[in-house]
Amino acid sequence: GENVEQHPSTLSVQEGDSAVIKCTYSDSASNYFPWYKQELGKGPQLIIDIRSNVGEKKDQRIAVTLNKTAKHFSLHITETQPEDSAVYFCASRNSGYSTLTFGKGTMLLVSP
Amino acid sequence: DVKVTQSSRYLVKRTGEKVFLECVQDMDHENMFWYRQDPGLGLRLIYFSYDVKMKEKGDIPEGYSVSREKKERFSLILESASTNQTSMYLCASSLSLGVHTEAFFGQGTRLTVV
Repeated sequence: GENVEQHPSTLSVQEGDSAVIKCTYSDSASNYFPWYKQELGKGPQLIIDIRSNVGEKKDQRIAVTLNKTAKHFSLHITETQPEDSAVYFCASRNSGYSTLTFGKGTMLLVSP
Repeated sequence: DVKVTQSSRYLVKRTGEKVFLECVQDMDHENMFWYRQDPGLGLRLIYFSYDVKMKEKGDIPEGYSVSREKKERFSLILESASTNQTSMYLCASSLSLGVHTEAFFGQGTRLTVV
């Protein structure tokens, strides 16, 4: 089955800096890659996703890049703010299945 | 506003008890999921259901069962709770199979088995 590796497990940055979280996946048939943000005491919430026919997608301060050849994708957050502090999960899905495979998560701490 | 509601935020149960975790979604979604979240292990799929009365095992089904008698409700059952089932449990739902649709999560139930 699919395996998703996520790095780093924790990331501390100063407010205003950029943050990058990286994921690799094993199944070359995977074609959907969402990112979820989990704030303290809440369930994960989708923040951005990318499909395999796209190399990059941006939404204000967040962007995701996908390299299908290398089987990795990354989340980029620019101009970080304290409210960006949360746990971030990457995931992948093969179109032949309905379930997502998640990475182990990255705890991002943005210090004022 | 879309909503997935889990019946309890916190539960404390004794070893050997039968435990029911309830989840309700109001979005008429076909798919519902139960995940377990542990530090350093991420989200692991226990069971999912793609239709009423249908269920499929996920990655870690041992010690768990599920019930889906109505489209909006998906229950996770711990037949005989054990201390290694102490964890955060997350329910999720999504619209349909084979489509790259968003999964919506509940707020989680933190279960402690003593």
